[in-house]
Amino acid sequence: NAGVMQNPRHLVRRRGQEARLRCSPMKGHSHVYWYRQLPEEGLKFMVYLQKENIIDESGMPKERFSAEFPKEGPSILRIQQVVRGDSAAYFCASSPTRLVQETQYFGPGTRLLVL
Amino acid sequence: TQLLEQSPQFLSIQEGENLTVYCNSSSVFSSLQWYRQEPGEGPVLLVTVVTGGEVKKLKRLTFQFGDARKDSSLHITAAQPGDTGLYLCAGATGGYNKLIFGAGTRLAVHP
Repeated sequence: NAGVMQNPRHLVRRRGQEARLRCSPMKGHSHVYWYRQLPEEGLKFMVYLQKENIIDESGMPKERFSAEFPKEGPSILRIQQVVRGDSAAYFCASSPTRLVQETQYFGPGTRLLVL
Repeated sequence: TQLLEQSPQFLSIQEGENLTVYCNSSSVFSSLQWYRQEPGEGPVLLVTVVTGGEVKKLKRLTFQFGDARKDSSLHITAAQPGDTGLYLCAGATGGYNKLIFGAGTRLAVHP
């Protein structure tokens, strides 16, 4: 059973471009969480999605950021018109249920660098 | 806003020493998880504690959840260089598994 897959692992964008980060959850997992980690900091929750639904996007910046988890295919975190402050590591995690004691399995992350 | 304060931020010790990392909050969490993160990788779960007062042991690592479910500690006995890494605590909140992370403790164990 493959783990959580994220691609690309590294992404370089110039200011104003779009960044698309993909996350394929573990097989059988229908709950996906996205987190952002700035250098030397802990992870910050961004958004929680179930298949085809956004459950909680309270950690997402109001503008330029969007997320989706379609019925088929990976979850996508999209950042439009990137700025230097968007440079960070973005992690997704998946779990089979939403239970609070359920293990979240993290992917290796996508490191975004905005020039 | 729920916060998890983790301390110390950095810890540099000699092999064989014991250490404790603390995670504190004024908020109650449904569960608390400890992760270890290696450079360039995602966090890997070490343990989940759910019940107030719960103690779990994983070889030389002992995890404790406070009675009021607001704080937790990680104790490592006889630290080894292989324990070097970033340790993160995370509390689950919101009625589902949304995690609030502490800032992390960067541990260095020297031979």
